[in-house]
Order: sequence, then C-alpha cells, then structure tokens
Amino acid sequence: EAQVTQNPRYLITVTGKKLTVTCSQNMNHEYMSWYRQDPGLGLRQIYYSMNVEVTDKGDVPEGYKVSRKEKRNFPLILESPSPNQTSLYFCATRGLAGRGTQYFGPGTRLTVL
Amino acid sequence: GEDVEQSLFLSVREGDSSVINCTYTDSSSTYLYWYKQEPGAGLQLLTYIFSNMDMKQDQRLTVLLNKKDKHLSLRIADTQTGDSAIYFCAETRDSGNTPLVFGKGTRLSVIA
Repeated sequence: EAQVTQNPRYLITVTGKKLTVTCSQNMNHEYMSWYRQDPGLGLRQIYYSMNVEVTDKGDVPEGYKVSRKEKRNFPLILESPSPNQTSLYFCATRGLAGRGTQYFGPGTRLTVL
Repeated sequence: GEDVEQSLFLSVREGDSSVINCTYTDSSSTYLYWYKQEPGAGLQLLTYIFSNMDMKQDQRLTVLLNKKDKHLSLRIADTQTGDSAIYFCAETRDSGNTPLVFGKGTRLSVIA
C-alpha cells in the first residue's frame, strides 16, 4: 500500500529545544516536500527535494532545515523552535513520471510553548 | 509568482449541488488538482485534470476547466454531510519537477 508516514503525529515542546519530524515514503518517489498549514494562510511550502542530496527552499524556509540522505526519508529539523512555528506540518511526495499526483502524510501537529 | 485563488467559505444544503471555484495565474499550468482535507486529517487527492481537457467527471464530481479564463471549478452533485471539508485547488506546470501551488482552501459546510 502506498504510504507517507510522519512521526510524531503530535508534539508539544518548549522554545529552543531541537526537534526532528520524520517523513518516510514507500513509493520510490523522487520529489518530497514539507508544508505548514496555518488558519487563513493555507498551505505554505517550507522545503522540497528533487532527489537524494538535492534540496531547495520553498516559500517559508526560515527556522527550518532538511536533509535527504536516502530516497525514502526526508526529515524536517527545527534547531531552535519558536512559538511562531506552532503549526500543522505535512510531508508530501510526488513521482517524476506520470500525472504528478502528490501524496500527503497524515500531518504532525506541533505546539511550541 | 504564480498564484491560486479560492473563496474561503461555502455553505450548501444537503442534497443540493456545491460548486467550488478556483482561479490561477500561471498560463503554463499543465496539471490541476482538487484535494480534500477532512477535519484532523491530511490532504486526499480527489481528482485532477490536464490542461488539454475541458471537463472531467467522476461519479458525483465534475471538474470544469476554462483555460482561457484560467478558471477551474469542482461541482459536487447531491452534496452530503460527509462532504463537509476543506477543498484545495492546486496547479503545476509539469508532472514532477516543480512544486505544486495551492490555493488557501475553501471550507465547505453542508447543512442537514
């Protein structure tokens, strides 16, 4: 079954405490990306990756890091989280061939106190 | 840059048809998508249309594309309470090399 998994699904943390949200896909997709969803602002792309070791900034990359060491994994790293990073985060993947359908993970709700 | 616009809210009565509209600015858009997000869940692909098509029908869903006006719509026939969700329009130029551009989403409320 095609899957995009994210962990954790819910996280409450404090300002400045480094955290990582993992994303894993089993579809052998080249393209992976991270979004944050905030009320009234819709989905905003944080970072994306075209393939292993290839990453690029999206619309709102400040305060985030990513890495793509393996095709299936694309972790999102918050080195020093701040309250304005409280949000709902989605990982997504796409294959480079075909109709380009993007598949989303279930979401990670992050609260930074 | 590219932009996708949607109205934020739509309210319909159960059994009526819902029409969610979307406009986009990128004339190079090749693929256009509709995603559904139910409360507390991720985004689920509902349907998609290629830019060389005018219409696509899939059971209760009808997608209409007016490429000249850069206007996309999603019609849901016989709307049910289970259709209550946020609907996102998205577009991209190609099948995988560029990011999708999303609208802010339309919250559909179905009144019983």
